[in-house]
Amino acid sequence: DTAVSQTPKYLVTQMGNDKSIKCEQNLGHDTMYWYKQDSKKFLKIMFSYNNKELIINETVPNRFSPKSPDKAHLNLHINSLELGDSAVYFCASSQEAGYGYTFGSGTRLTVV
Amino acid sequence: GENVEQHPSTLSVQEGDSAVIKCTYSDSASNYFPWYKQELGKRPQLIIDIRSNVGEKKDQRIAVTLNKTAKHFSLHITETQPEDSAVYFCAASITAGGSYIPTFGRGTSLIVHP
Repeated sequence: DTAVSQTPKYLVTQMGNDKSIKCEQNLGHDTMYWYKQDSKKFLKIMFSYNNKELIINETVPNRFSPKSPDKAHLNLHINSLELGDSAVYFCASSQEAGYGYTFGSGTRLTVV
Repeated sequence: GENVEQHPSTLSVQEGDSAVIKCTYSDSASNYFPWYKQELGKRPQLIIDIRSNVGEKKDQRIAVTLNKTAKHFSLHITETQPEDSAVYFCAASITAGGSYIPTFGRGTSLIVHP
């Protein structure tokens, strides 16, 4: 069983489109996150969601919005995609806020 | 906010040598320091972590040391093998009452030559 699963693994789309990436964890963890990894491998936090408390990195454009239907899911919705959004997006979870992460396998988003 | 500096950005060693990656952090309230290994095209994976009440932790060929006074921590890999080649990330976070979102270093690309 995959602990943190993301779909799709690859996503190629045109500028201006709206897309979603799904994330599910079966570890019973309390906190979930979304990270963006750019071409230089830097891992940038986008969102953290813990017990219905959402923490947003203020540098993330409001075109990005997380949606959590329940504790096991944290989906990422992106509106009006731009070329600069091309990156690998990782979902992660941790048993307790701030402690060791289990990452998903990543979604490589390419905006053309 | 927290700032984590990681050095070197690239480290090349011969198989069997030791490798050391160093990180410094700025917020003295940080109390949890994990290390992640990311192989090419794969997800980052937690390989070892240390909490602020401990100075050193070992797991087989991997060890992490923490100097709270100087606000730096290091990853030590002994007897390196080609399969250790990957990007390694350090992170620092404040748990329980803090912002609890780890701040990552920019990564070190470790290359182990056979």
